[in-house]
Amino acid sequence: DSGVTQTPKHLITATGQRVTLRCSPRSGDLSVYWYQQSLDQGLQFLIQYYNGEERAKGNILERFSAQQFPDLHSELNLSSLELGDSALYFCASSGGQAKFTGELFFGEGSRLTVL
Amino acid sequence: LAKTTQPISMDSYEGQEVNITCSHNNIATNDYITWYQQFPSQGPRFIIQGYKTKVTNEVASLFIPADRKSSTLSLPRVSLSDTAVYYCLVGDTSYKLIFGSGTRLLVRP
Repeated sequence: DSGVTQTPKHLITATGQRVTLRCSPRSGDLSVYWYQQSLDQGLQFLIQYYNGEERAKGNILERFSAQQFPDLHSELNLSSLELGDSALYFCASSGGQAKFTGELFFGEGSRLTVL
Repeated sequence: LAKTTQPISMDSYEGQEVNITCSHNNIATNDYITWYQQFPSQGPRFIIQGYKTKVTNEVASLFIPADRKSSTLSLPRVSLSDTAVYYCLVGDTSYKLIFGSGTRLLVRP
């Protein structure tokens, strides 16, 4: 158990819909990262937050947005869903130092299926 | 931001030592090298991290030559349960931690 909690574990929805994925980081971790992994593909970095502030952005679509709340949990919002958005979405967290400490702790992921 | 290149796949047999090499030609001075393991439908799991020379823990060793333009993850005496995808990650801060395409390791009986 990594200590990172993601909900929901599975989600099935239709094209054009909007969903919200939630992530609770490990206790004490200030950084939250979101990754997308399509079937048999690598991990695509979406976005990172540090203590409530957006810190880095990857190839995140304009239809996607995220935020980190004062209690440090994060939400990833996916709107106008398309079939190609079907994927596993992972959240990871890491410690509070600015210097890279080496270890990301990943949740079990949220599997999104768009029909 | 350092880009990494790894072999797409590797095959091995139980009990053998497996070495997976990652190239990172434009690694920066402050970059660390980290390896992760991922099983299907699970989040990646940290294996080992290093900056230079050699690092060893209970599951793997990491060899980094002096120029740091590559690194080799060494898994001693692999078992079937080591079948997974292995990712090399290079970064200096907690910004934009980008994974490469990974190496799919298949361990055969």
